[in-house]
Amino acid sequence: EAGVTQFPSHSVIEKGQTVTLRCDPISGHDNLYWYRRVMGKEIKFLLHFVKESKQDESGMPNNRFLAERTGGTYSTLKVQPAELEDSGVYFCASSPWSRSYEQYFGPGTRLTVT
Amino acid sequence: KQEVTQIPAALSVPEGENLVLNCSFTDSAIYNLQWFRQDPGKGLTSLLLIQSSQREQTSGRLNASLDKSSGRSTLYIAASQPGDSATYLCAVYVYALNFGKGTSLLVTP
Repeated sequence: EAGVTQFPSHSVIEKGQTVTLRCDPISGHDNLYWYRRVMGKEIKFLLHFVKESKQDESGMPNNRFLAERTGGTYSTLKVQPAELEDSGVYFCASSPWSRSYEQYFGPGTRLTVT
Repeated sequence: KQEVTQIPAALSVPEGENLVLNCSFTDSAIYNLQWFRQDPGKGLTSLLLIQSSQREQTSGRLNASLDKSSGRSTLYIAASQPGDSATYLCAVYVYALNFGKGTSLLVTP
């Protein structure tokens, strides 16, 4: 069974540009989560999808971040326009509907904003 | 607001030593606590999950304990090996995972 995959593995963009990160969860997992780790800080929750619906987006830092999960399969996280403080590693995780705590993590996307 | 603290931030030990990693959390209203391992450039791998009603879990050379009332957990690694070198993360689950900053472990041959 394939694990959680994320693309790209690394992205370097300039301040003001737009970047879209993609996450493909484990097949059949209804729950999908985005987390972020910025330099020197702990991994922080961004938002949670149940199928295509946003269950909790309380961790999204501001309206420059937009997450979608069309059709309840893969998810994208768009940052527009990117700022320097958006640099960090963005993790995606998925879990079965009935065991939301049993999260499987992807390798992360390292975003560098210059 | 839940805060998770891990001590020490970094640890270097010779191969064969037994070691303890510490985790504390501020709000005891948790569903469970997990210990993860992260290798460079890779995702997080769950090592042990302790439900809020449990006191400990064991897997191989790893043993994790949970004292919910005092807001503490420990991860015990027996007979450490160089392959154990990684970052170990503690996370408490309340609707989402709340992570500590991690302990970076280096086991030298």
